[in-house]
Amino acid sequence: GQNIDQPTEMTATEGAIVQINCTYQTSGFNGLFWYQQHAGEAPTFLSYNVLDGLEEKGRFSSFLSRSKGYSYLLLKELQMKDSASYLCAVMDSNYQLIWGAGTKLIIKP
Amino acid sequence: IAGITQAPTSQILAAGRRMTLRCTQDMRHNAMYWYRQDLGLGLRLIHYSNTAGTTGKGEVPDGYSVSRANTDDFPLTLASAVPSQTSVYFCASRPTSGSSNEQFFGPGTRLTVL
Repeated sequence: GQNIDQPTEMTATEGAIVQINCTYQTSGFNGLFWYQQHAGEAPTFLSYNVLDGLEEKGRFSSFLSRSKGYSYLLLKELQMKDSASYLCAVMDSNYQLIWGAGTKLIIKP
Repeated sequence: IAGITQAPTSQILAAGRRMTLRCTQDMRHNAMYWYRQDLGLGLRLIHYSNTAGTTGKGEVPDGYSVSRANTDDFPLTLASAVPSQTSVYFCASRPTSGSSNEQFFGPGTRLTVL
């Protein structure tokens, strides 16, 4: 079957660094996405990895290892506004997204 | 209109009633999707459409129907609502040309079935 696993909740301190892991097993692979979702709002796109390696975009970076079925999202210089849920999703062979349940990130001052 | 709009924003509905959730996009994206989001679960695909005139079933299609008469609109209908359909519903779209596979989301509809 298809499965996306990520931690349910993480806590970090303002100004610090946090890494959110995602492991997956899917039928086919057309890329891995990270989305951010603030409470009561729609998901918004953060990153897309289709090849192995690290993609950096400002304070956020995303890493992919296709052979290990593994990705992580790295958030640096954490700000209070980064408190949100982070959703990992894999695009399968039919170009449909399979979603993890999301990781709720709590930032403490 | 800029992006994707959904209506209504929220709705309380009596069980057994029929309800249509509306979704409109102005980005000329070919692919459109309906998801439901429930606490503790990931987004689950209800129905999708790869292009105008075609639709397909997702992971949780029972009790829902869709139509795609044109590129812009993708309404979701609950024929006879049940309490288990209480959820937040998101519509999304994706361009099918170019290298971007990003899905763009509407603001969501919060539906409560009593």
